[in-house]
Amino acid sequence: DAGVIQSPRHEVTEMGQEVTLRCKPISGHNSLFWYRQTMMRGLELLIYFNNNVPIDDSGMPEDRFSAKMPNASFSTLKIQPSEPRDSAVYFCASTLTELGELFFGEGSRLTVL
Amino acid sequence: GQQVMQIPQYQHVQEGEDFTTYCNSSTTLSNIQWYKQRPGGHPVFLIQLVKSGEVKKQKRLTFQFGEAKKNSSLHITATQTTDVGTYFCAGLKAAGNKLTFGGGTRVLVKP
Repeated sequence: DAGVIQSPRHEVTEMGQEVTLRCKPISGHNSLFWYRQTMMRGLELLIYFNNNVPIDDSGMPEDRFSAKMPNASFSTLKIQPSEPRDSAVYFCASTLTELGELFFGEGSRLTVL
Repeated sequence: GQQVMQIPQYQHVQEGEDFTTYCNSSTTLSNIQWYKQRPGGHPVFLIQLVKSGEVKKQKRLTFQFGEAKKNSSLHITATQTTDVGTYFCAGLKAAGNKLTFGGGTRVLVKP
């Protein structure tokens, strides 16, 4: 199995631009999570889906952030407009069951200038 | 809300020595997971503890879940340079539905 696949691995953009991060979970996994990691705040859960349905989005910082999961094999995290404080590594993770072991992707490192 | 604290934040260890990192939750947990993240990498699952007082070993790593299910520890014996990285605990609150990660313990090994 290829594992959780994220793209892009690195993105540098200017403030105000739209950013879209993509994730392909492990086939057969029912839950998908988006995390943000920074030195200051550590690993923060932004949102998670179970069977493609958003279950908890209380970690989404503000309306500039949105996430979708149109099918079991694809999810996006969108930031519009982006701001410098959004600079972080964004991880996608999937699990076979909602409470099981998390399999993380390699992350998308976002830099907003 | 639920908080998970890890101490120490940083651990400098001489190669060959032992060390322990601790994880404390503000609420009772149903289970706790441990992850390791190498520099520049992504978190990788190590283990899950479920039972009160549970102890599990993986080679030189020993994981323990407290009797009250509010704390956990990771003990590494005979530290090697391959142990470098950040170790995270993540707790699932009793009757909860999402993991809360601690801030991690960053381990640096001096050869």
